[in-house]
Amino acid sequence: AQTVTQSQPEMSVQEAETVTLSCTYDTSENNYYLFWYKQPPSRQMILVIRQEAYKQQNATENRFSVNFQKAAKSFSLKISDSQLGDTAMYFCAFMKPMRLTGANSKLTFGKGITLSVRP
Amino acid sequence: EPEVTQTPSHQVTQMGQEVILRCVPISNHLYFYWYRQILGQKVEFLVSFYNNEISEKSEIFDDQFSVERPDGSNFTLKIRSTKLEDSAMYFCASSRGQGKQGYTFGSGTRLTVV
Repeated sequence: AQTVTQSQPEMSVQEAETVTLSCTYDTSENNYYLFWYKQPPSRQMILVIRQEAYKQQNATENRFSVNFQKAAKSFSLKISDSQLGDTAMYFCAFMKPMRLTGANSKLTFGKGITLSVRP
Repeated sequence: EPEVTQTPSHQVTQMGQEVILRCVPISNHLYFYWYRQILGQKVEFLVSFYNNEISEKSEIFDDQFSVERPDGSNFTLKIRSTKLEDSAMYFCASSRGQGKQGYTFGSGTRLTVV
């Protein structure tokens, strides 16, 4: 079974600064997908960024980027130029590959980290 | 941008009562999911659904739970006899493909069992 660990329960960052959120995972799979989801106070889960394990290049989406270290099974999220609207809970999630046509695959989430952006 | 719509946003029910949580997935999505989040805890997988049948379910998804796609647009989660520990946020999600692009989640239904 896969596990996802987010060991930092909460972090705080000054507006416009950069912050890195940590995530490690455990799997015996060689190919898989990793995600960061944001959950603001509205409670909706919003996809921030995704990474395919077979791609060596780290994913980037505007101010959000990841540091994917496959050998270390580490998948951290870097938020640059932090904004007040980034205040939210952030979840790291793992998805194993689907081998059967029509089979959809579940997400395994970490416990999440609460990020506060200070004005 | 297309959305996954969940109703109601908040439901209070008495222990032992049946509840139905409703979801309208994105119209061209083929794969559907239910997750739950007990307050302050991590998001947990309940069930996935494709081609009118359950693809996978977790150990949480016992005989008290069922899912249905009754009319080609709605996707429902029924809890037959609610327990206090069923109190949680329930999220519906959908994906066009098998999920590797990530899902689109709804805004959730907060279920409170009293």
